[in-house]
Amino acid sequence: DAGVIQSPRHEVTEMGQEVTLRCKPISGHDYLFWYRQTMMRGLELLIYFNNNVPIDDSGMPEDRFSAKMPNASFSTLKIQPSEPRDSAVYFCASSFSDHLGGNQYFGPGTRLLVL
Amino acid sequence: QKEVEQNSGPLSVPEGAIASLNCTYSDRGSQSFFWYRQYSGKSPELIMSIYSNGDKEDGRFTAQLNKASQYVSLLIRDSQPSDSATYLCAVNSRDDKIIFGKGTRLHILP
Repeated sequence: DAGVIQSPRHEVTEMGQEVTLRCKPISGHDYLFWYRQTMMRGLELLIYFNNNVPIDDSGMPEDRFSAKMPNASFSTLKIQPSEPRDSAVYFCASSFSDHLGGNQYFGPGTRLLVL
Repeated sequence: QKEVEQNSGPLSVPEGAIASLNCTYSDRGSQSFFWYRQYSGKSPELIMSIYSNGDKEDGRFTAQLNKASQYVSLLIRDSQPSDSATYLCAVNSRDDKIIFGKGTRLHILP
């Protein structure tokens, strides 16, 4: 099993540019989570999907952030326009059914730097 | 009040000793508790979960839960240099989300 796959692994962009992060969850997992991690705020849940449907997006910081899951094997997190304060590591994670069981498998993360 | 609180550390422990990591949470309704380990530059990985009061042991790791005190801990026996990492406490919230603490950095001294 390849695990959760994220791309790109690193992204450097300029303020105002659009950024798209991609995630392929583990096959068979029906929950997908997007997190953001910074030193100041720790690991924050942005949004999660169940069976491709967004369930809770209350963690999305503002309208500049959007996420989609067009099918069971692909999700995107888009930031438009990007700002320096968006610089962070963005993790995608997936789990099977009982997400409250906490056994979420994390991808390697995308390290985003907005200049 | 922060929902999940941990001492940021670093916590330095001699090799072979017991490392004790602590976590408190604010939601009395929480039912599920987890410990994730995160090596520097890597992603978190689940190492322990606990759902009922008391102790749960898995190899060198023991998770302890006290719901009355809203306290969960992780003990690592016979600490090894490879245990040096950040340990994240996670708790399910009343709206069915997993809330992570900011983590405790653990440093095992050879």
